[in-house]
Amino acid sequence: DAGITQSPRHKVTETGTPVTLRCHQTENHRYMYWYRQDPGHGLRLIHYSYGVKDTDKGEVSDGYSVSRSKTEDFLLTLESATSSQTSVYFCAIRPGTGNTIYFGEGSWLTVV
Amino acid sequence: GESVGLHLPTLSVQEGDNSIINCAYSNSASDYFIWYKQESGKGPQFIIDIRSNMDKRQGQRVTVLLNKTVKHLSLQIAATQPGDSAVYFCAEKLNTGTASKLTFGTGTRLQVTL
Repeated sequence: DAGITQSPRHKVTETGTPVTLRCHQTENHRYMYWYRQDPGHGLRLIHYSYGVKDTDKGEVSDGYSVSRSKTEDFLLTLESATSSQTSVYFCAIRPGTGNTIYFGEGSWLTVV
Repeated sequence: GESVGLHLPTLSVQEGDNSIINCAYSNSASDYFIWYKQESGKGPQFIIDIRSNMDKRQGQRVTVLLNKTVKHLSLQIAATQPGDSAVYFCAEKLNTGTASKLTFGTGTRLQVTL
């Protein structure tokens, strides 16, 4: 258990609506990540954070924004959801002393 | 939750046998590798890791082998159990000097038959 809680775990939303996924960690890790997982693709990095208010883009950042106003929370926002954003979203953390990242349990998002 | 990766390569192994799952990685500059296990509807779970200055590393019932010459990684699971049924995938980290960014493979599904 990496001390990560994602919410909501499942959501169905309509095209064009905004959606925010929340990642909450309890162990004060500096590095946090948002990935998406789709059939035929490995996990792909959307955005990551290396501290409060410090974020950067990953390889599939278009259509997504993030915010980190507190160490424990990393929010992923889809400003206007599209069907191509139907996916499973995983939050992850990386303890500062290592290279391994640890994942949360995922958020299943369906955009109809 | 839905199952991700419905068309993954599948390895079918009888309970008690050893399993070998392979992964070809892409970049010779990668300096760190990880194996993850993902059960249906759950997040990826860390199994074992290895640095590029090593050829082999053992854990509890698992061994990872690294062949840098051919950029190949394998995960061996001894005495495979039904609870080992899952999707397994490898990840590599480039030595970029920045916050680590991992590149993930698409995975192999391990089915353990009784």
